[in-house]
Amino acid sequence: KNQVEQSPQSLIILEGKNCTLQCNYTVSPFSNLRWYKQDTGRGPVSLTIMTFSENTKSNGRYTATLDADTKQSSLHITASQLSDSASYICVVSDRGSTLGRLYFGRGTQLTVWP
Amino acid sequence: EADIYQTPRYLVIGTGKKITLECSQTMGHDKMYWYQQDPGMELHLIHYSYGVNSTEKGDLSSESTVSRIRTEHFPLTLESARPSHTSQYLCASSEYSGDSRNTGELFFGEGSRLTVL
Repeated sequence: KNQVEQSPQSLIILEGKNCTLQCNYTVSPFSNLRWYKQDTGRGPVSLTIMTFSENTKSNGRYTATLDADTKQSSLHITASQLSDSASYICVVSDRGSTLGRLYFGRGTQLTVWP
Repeated sequence: EADIYQTPRYLVIGTGKKITLECSQTMGHDKMYWYQQDPGMELHLIHYSYGVNSTEKGDLSSESTVSRIRTEHFPLTLESARPSHTSQYLCASSEYSGDSRNTGELFFGEGSRLTVL
């Protein structure tokens, strides 16, 4: 069964600290993996998209890694800011269907305290 | 900023009412999607479209219907709303790469939060 599991479910850190969010998936055949940031009451916004051949990708203070062999990804946030408080969603796309189906994780709720 | 817009942002209605959630995008994207999201849960695909006059049901069974008469417009309609329809509805669009199995970058609207009393 194709699944995307994220951990932790929620996380509280102090402003300026770093943190790492985890994503494990069983989706096959794999096409790409995406990380989205969703502020409360808003739509998700894309942070990174990684294909099979990409091990790491950065977008400002956000760095995503992908290990396609172990089917794991992480999102590292450096020098956190209050505006980083949001839900971070891991999404994996397959190539086995005619839709290019997307499998969504439930997200990690990050809270940054001053 | 993504050029995809949803209205209304918030809607509270009584049971049995007909409602239409509007979604428009100005990026010229062929693919459009409707997702349903409940608190703490993953997004579920309820409808999608590959282009004008193309609509398909998604993974999650929904009593809603959609239409795609124009490329930029993808409204969702509930003929008779019930409390079980209370949820956040997210519209999204992506470019069509020529390969239907490859979903390009998704751009989401801000969402429509529906509450049915």
